[in-house]
Amino acid sequence: DIVMTQSPDSLAVSLGERATLNCKSSQSIPYNSNRKHCMSWYQQRPGQPPKLLIYWGSTRESGVPDRFSGSGHGTDFTLTISSLQAEDVAIYYCHQCSSRPFTFGPGTRVDIK
Amino acid sequence: EVQLLESGGDLVQPGGSLRISCAASGFKFSSFAMIWVRQAPGKGLEWVSGLFGNGGGIHYADSVKGRFTISRDNSKNTVDLQMSSLRAEDTAVYYCAKDRVSGDGEWLIDSWGQGTLVTVSS
Repeated sequence: DIVMTQSPDSLAVSLGERATLNCKSSQSIPYNSNRKHCMSWYQQRPGQPPKLLIYWGSTRESGVPDRFSGSGHGTDFTLTISSLQAEDVAIYYCHQCSSRPFTFGPGTRVDIK
Repeated sequence: EVQLLESGGDLVQPGGSLRISCAASGFKFSSFAMIWVRQAPGKGLEWVSGLFGNGGGIHYADSVKGRFTISRDNSKNTVDLQMSSLRAEDTAVYYCAKDRVSGDGEWLIDSWGQGTLVTVSS
């Protein structure tokens, strides 16, 4: 099984500052038929279901603000929030859908400093 | 607009059974893989089960294999999860979710329902 780990567990960032969230997989996430990593990031606000932000490691979902960006390959992936807004307070999960069983990371909680 | 509405969550005793359902609208249901993901109280996300639009490609997490059964009715735009031999550790909010692309899909979730709470306790 591919185990996903995330760091840090939580972070507090001042409004307008950058937040960097990391995700590491225990094995290299295989490419799909489109030569993309099936690796995505979800935002879960309190009391809400998750929301897709980034897929294929770096493709922003339609309607997601451009302050969110994803990068990485192989086993190491990063979600960056370039300028933190109040509405970004949430837990962020990475997820691999390349290899069964499909697995999520434990999440990183983002708060305002 | 994609809408996924779960129902059927309840309090059930250990060893009991429960069927939860998801009604979908706003997209061509039969073309998309559907997925169940759960979240225990205060915990992270766990992939439970999924199946293709044609009902094939069924798979389960090891934690529920042999106890849970996923099915869909493309004439009613519904996907169900039949749960049996329930345990306390199955207590969670169960989310219905949709694959991003049609066909065999990617197992990449782009839409989630609001969830239904299943509580297993005596």
